[in-house]
Amino acid sequence: AQKVTQAQTEISVVEKEDVTLDCVYETRDTTYYLFWYKQPPSGELVFLIRRNSFDEQNEISGRYSWNFQKSTSSFNFTITASQVVDSAVYFCALIPVGYGNKLVFGAGTILRVKS
Amino acid sequence: DSGVTQTPKHLITATGQRVTLRCSPRSGDLSVYWYQQSLDQGLQFLIQYYNGEERAKGNILERFSAQQFPDLHSELNLSSLELGDSALYFCASSVSPTPGQPQHFGDGTRLSIL
Repeated sequence: AQKVTQAQTEISVVEKEDVTLDCVYETRDTTYYLFWYKQPPSGELVFLIRRNSFDEQNEISGRYSWNFQKSTSSFNFTITASQVVDSAVYFCALIPVGYGNKLVFGAGTILRVKS
Repeated sequence: DSGVTQTPKHLITATGQRVTLRCSPRSGDLSVYWYQQSLDQGLQFLIQYYNGEERAKGNILERFSAQQFPDLHSELNLSSLELGDSALYFCASSVSPTPGQPQHFGDGTRLSIL
């Protein structure tokens, strides 16, 4: 079965704090892709990153970083020095290669950054 | 701006009615996907088209149908609407249907059934 679990339903932080959003996935496929999407209050879904199962290098993009660990089936997302504009719902998603190109989404984590 | 255009942004209608949601993919993208976001089910894949052909189906109700036209725009038709169909419907597109291709989403159509 393909499944993505985002155990944190909601996180509140104060501006400039670092915050990590957890994502755990399940798949029997050895080849798969992992994604993070952001849904700001305006409602659109914004693509943030894609990772394939053979690339375990961590990635950093500005204040965003991603930690992919196959050993624990996790793909966590850290925002450094959070800002109010980071307030959004963040979704982790999975595409197992044997499943076509259908995104399997987690339930999402609501991030509230207070000034 | 993702380049994916969805119309209308909001739709309010009554139970039993039929509606059509429209999507224009990003320039150059040949594959279109439809997703439903509801409070109880979260974000769920409905259906995928590639170059006019249905490619994959998810948990799409029989009352729902879709198609992709020669100009690559897509329409999602929802009929015999029920209260539970109230949701945000997203269209996404990708260059090809190859697994792992990033999908870029439109702003969604919010459907409210009264």
